[in-house]
Amino acid sequence: GQNIDQPTEMTATEGAIVQINCTYQTSGFNGLFWYQQHAGEAPTFLSYNVLDGLEEKGRFSSFLSRSKGYSYLLLKELQMKDSASYLCAVTDSNYQLIWGAGTKLIIKP
Amino acid sequence: TAGITQAPTSQILAAGRSMTLRCTQDMRHNAMYWYRQDLGLGLRLIHYSNTAGTTGKGEVPDGYSVSRANTDDFPLTLASAVPSQTSVYFCASSRLPSGGYGEQFFGPGTRLTVL
Repeated sequence: GQNIDQPTEMTATEGAIVQINCTYQTSGFNGLFWYQQHAGEAPTFLSYNVLDGLEEKGRFSSFLSRSKGYSYLLLKELQMKDSASYLCAVTDSNYQLIWGAGTKLIIKP
Repeated sequence: TAGITQAPTSQILAAGRSMTLRCTQDMRHNAMYWYRQDLGLGLRLIHYSNTAGTTGKGEVPDGYSVSRANTDDFPLTLASAVPSQTSVYFCASSRLPSGGYGEQFFGPGTRLTVL
């Protein structure tokens, strides 16, 4: 079966760095997405990785290792507004998005 | 630019009743999707449409139907609602089919409660 695993919840301190991991087992691979979802709102796109390596976008970076079925989202200089759920999603061989359950990130002052 | 709009924002529905959730996008995207999101579970695809005039079944299609008469609109119909269909429903669209190489844009969601 297809499976995406992420931690359910993480806590970090304002100004710090946090890494949210995602492991996946899917039928084929055509890219990995990270989305941010604030409580009561719709998911919004953060990043896309299809090749191995690190993609940096401001305070957010996303890493992919296809051989390990592994990705992480790195958030630097955490701000209170970063409190949200972070969703990992993988495009399988049929180009369908398979979604993880999301990681709820709590930022403390 | 409105992006994607959904209506209604929320609804309480009696079991056995039918209902149509509306979704409209103004980005001229080819592909559209309906998801449901339940606590502790990831987004689950109900139905999708890669282009106007075509639709496909997702992971959890039972009890739901869709149509795609034109590019902009993608309504989701519950023919006879059951309590297990209580959920938050998100409509999304992407320029390319199935989000293969492009991000999906989401509507604000419809919170549906079936009693």
